[in-house]
Amino acid sequence: QKEVEQNSGPLSVPEGAIASLNCTYSDRGSQSFFWYRQYSGKSPELIMSIYSNGDKEDGRFTAQLNKASQYVSLLIRDSQPSDSATYLCAPWGSTNAGKSTFGDGTTLTVKP
Amino acid sequence: NAGVTQTPKFQVLKTGQSMTLQCAQDMNHNSMYWYRQDPGMGLRLIYYSASEGTTDKGEVPNGYNVSRLNKREFSLRLESAAPSQTSVYFCASSLDSNYGYTFGSGTRLTVV
Repeated sequence: QKEVEQNSGPLSVPEGAIASLNCTYSDRGSQSFFWYRQYSGKSPELIMSIYSNGDKEDGRFTAQLNKASQYVSLLIRDSQPSDSATYLCAPWGSTNAGKSTFGDGTTLTVKP
Repeated sequence: NAGVTQTPKFQVLKTGQSMTLQCAQDMNHNSMYWYRQDPGMGLRLIYYSASEGTTDKGEVPNGYNVSRLNKREFSLRLESAAPSQTSVYFCASSLDSNYGYTFGSGTRLTVV
């Protein structure tokens, strides 16, 4: 079993819809959780971080965390074609781990 | 406001040749990382340095060596390149577990 599992893609949604990206992780000691966006041919870019159970909203993006279920998600409201990218879930390991573990990513396509 | 700078951006090597990938950050981050990304494989950690003066192996360290030259610079060396090392290499840095990673723009390496 992989340490970080993301819903298999690709995911396609129409413009204006809500895109839902899911991630489960195995390290119960993880305290910080990050979502990165990677456009084709580019490097990953940090877009959201979440540390406590519940929701965190930033513009059209909402991150949700449930540590008991070891589950973190990213919702993109009013999806735009410019949101088309691969989204990487990356929990930071237990205290003193010194690093994140990345999921394989979910590729999102938003169709006009 | 350079962030993380990687050089070179592109490189073609012959099997058996050696080379060093350079990475420098100007954000006073403590930790630095080297990842490789292959199609369909996600980001795989090669080596990391949690702080100046320390280095640790990641998931795929074989065939690579690293040097944390100072707090700013973290280099990756391929002593004898192999076609299996054809990949895109990303350097990243992080202040600590609350801030996630900042990535460089990547090095596209081809070994023929």
